[in-house]
Amino acid sequence: AQRVTQPEKLLSVFKGAPVELKCNYSYSGSPELFWYVQYSRQRLQLLLRHISRESIKGFTADLNKGETSFHLKKPFAQEEDSAMYYCALSGPPYNNAGNMLTFGGGTRLMVKP
Amino acid sequence: EPEVTQTPSHQVTQMGQEVILRCVPISNHLYFYWYRQILGQKVEFLVSFYNNEISEKSEIFDDQFSVERPDGSNFTLKIRSTKLEDSAMYFCASRREGSGGQETQYFGPGTRLLVL
Repeated sequence: AQRVTQPEKLLSVFKGAPVELKCNYSYSGSPELFWYVQYSRQRLQLLLRHISRESIKGFTADLNKGETSFHLKKPFAQEEDSAMYYCALSGPPYNNAGNMLTFGGGTRLMVKP
Repeated sequence: EPEVTQTPSHQVTQMGQEVILRCVPISNHLYFYWYRQILGQKVEFLVSFYNNEISEKSEIFDDQFSVERPDGSNFTLKIRSTKLEDSAMYFCASRREGSGGQETQYFGPGTRLLVL
């Protein structure tokens, strides 16, 4: 069974401080990993995915298969980063049947001025 | 930029009543999904739909649930006889054709269902 764990429900940091949102997963094959973000009163939206290896809004995430982790990092947090962050997992690309997302419980990031 | 839309935004119903939640996916998308999030809990997958049939469903998606694409634009989730525990936020999502996990799922704003 696939599972995503986000151990922190709440992470509070000051503006300019580094941020690391933790995500660990359990999956028997080669998963696709994503970070979704939900700003206040807005819909879930994709922040980044591991296959793209890109930095979005200063955030990066590296897939560590040995530790089965996909932690989200940003060196200098901004107040506008305050939101709910969800780590999610999907099956490998060749499985075109549906590719349901399995979500972690989410971490609320609060960036204080 | 096109978005997934959902109606209604809120629905209150009595236990045992039928509800239909509506979604309009992004127009060139071919895969459709329903997820739900009970207050304080994880976002959970319910069902995926492709080529006019269910492609995957979770154990939550029992006989009380059904999905339909009645007219080529709407994608609906029906709950036949609602229970108190069906109270949740229901999200619709859609994605393009393509190599499964590499394609982004785009989410609607959700419908908050309250069963009394």
